[in-house]
Amino acid sequence: NAGVTQTPKFRVLKTGQSMTLLCAQDMNHEYMYWYRQDPGMGLRLIHYSVGEGTTAKGEVPDGYNVSRLKKQNFLLGLESAAPSQTSVYFCASSSWDSTKNIQYFGAGTRLSVL
Amino acid sequence: KQEVTQIPAALSVPEGENLVLNCSFTDSAIYNLQWFRQDPGKGLTSLLLIQSSQREQTSGRLNASLDKSSGRSTLYIAASQPGDSATYLCAVGPDYKLSFGAGTTVTVRA
Repeated sequence: NAGVTQTPKFRVLKTGQSMTLLCAQDMNHEYMYWYRQDPGMGLRLIHYSVGEGTTAKGEVPDGYNVSRLKKQNFLLGLESAAPSQTSVYFCASSSWDSTKNIQYFGAGTRLSVL
Repeated sequence: KQEVTQIPAALSVPEGENLVLNCSFTDSAIYNLQWFRQDPGKGLTSLLLIQSSQREQTSGRLNASLDKSSGRSTLYIAASQPGDSATYLCAVGPDYKLSFGAGTTVTVRA
């Protein structure tokens, strides 16, 4: 039972490089999320999606883009990486049912931008 | 903007002692509150979810209470064990978008 899978697990980028983080879930969840976690801070929502083909901005969307072409996948892109984007990135998914809105998280992607 | 605070940032207790973790939030118009556990280098695992209409939830040795009017939630862990060592985060949502606290890192000494 895979749940939420994130790839890659680690990545080092140089300033200005681009990359895409992939999130896949096998629970048939409608909602998916991208967060970043920085030391001493709670998780902050970057972008989210409430269904295939839809995306919306969260609290800290600048410098990131997302796409959800398939229900099970949610991609996070960095077009021109900056050192301020050094962080741990988490993907999560949840059901549309508000009484069961438990978010399930992936193991995270540790990104360093030099 | 919802602000979620967890104090203390770190806590160390001897095995067997009961744990009390606190979470406060500034906007009482929440839909639900969740407690998560995070092990080092790992993702978050949901422990308990309390709907806004509920006052508490229990699961095994864990009990979480919610007082919306005062903007507070407390997570109790009975008879702590070394395996309970982790970071515990609370999160509140007006809906499915959650605002997280920075977490309390717990160490249970054997």
